Amino acid sequence: GQNIDQPTEMTATEGAIVQINCTYQTSGFNGLFWYQQHAGEAPTFLSYNVLDGLEEKGRFSSFLSRSKGYSYLLLKELQMKDSASYLCAPMDSNYQLIWGAGTKLIIKP
Amino acid sequence: GAVVSQHPSWVICKSGTSVKIECRSLDFQATTMFWYRQFPKKSLMLMATSNEGSKATYEQGVEKDKFLINHASLTLSTLTVTSAHPEDSSFYICSARDLGRELNEQFFGPGTRLTVL
Repeated sequence: GQNIDQPTEMTATEGAIVQINCTYQTSGFNGLFWYQQHAGEAPTFLSYNVLDGLEEKGRFSSFLSRSKGYSYLLLKELQMKDSASYLCAPMDSNYQLIWGAGTKLIIKP
Repeated sequence: GAVVSQHPSWVICKSGTSVKIECRSLDFQATTMFWYRQFPKKSLMLMATSNEGSKATYEQGVEKDKFLINHASLTLSTLTVTSAHPEDSSFYICSARDLGRELNEQFFGPGTRLTVL
């Protein structure tokens, strides 16, 4: 079957760094997306990885290891506005996104 | 670019009535749009994939006669919740894929919060 595993909740301090891990199992693979979702809002795109390695985009970076079925999202210089849920969503062979429940990130001053 | 709008952003209706939600891609053409439902603190659940000019593909467990989807043009898909009941109260989100881009990214609308009394 298809499965996503992320921590349910994480807490970090403003200005610090946090890494959100994601392991996945899908039928086929066409890349992995990370989305940010604030409470009561729709998801917004953060990053996309299709090849192994690290993709850096400002304060956010995303890493992928296809052989391990593993990805992480790294957030640097955390700001209060980064408090949100972070959704790891791999794309299967039918180009459908597979969604888990996401990781709720709480930033404390 | 790649903006998706939804209307209405929230709606309250009586049990037994029908509600239509519109999803529009404003600056790109989308042959495929997706309809999701999300309950509080739960993951996005794909309800159906909407293809322009053809019937929607529904996920297992989603009643196609209750959730009517119409994708009449390359920029508009509608979801009609028929004979709504309180258990249909949820956050409904659409997304669209821009075929003009290489990346298979889905662009999300802002969502519609439905409350059925």
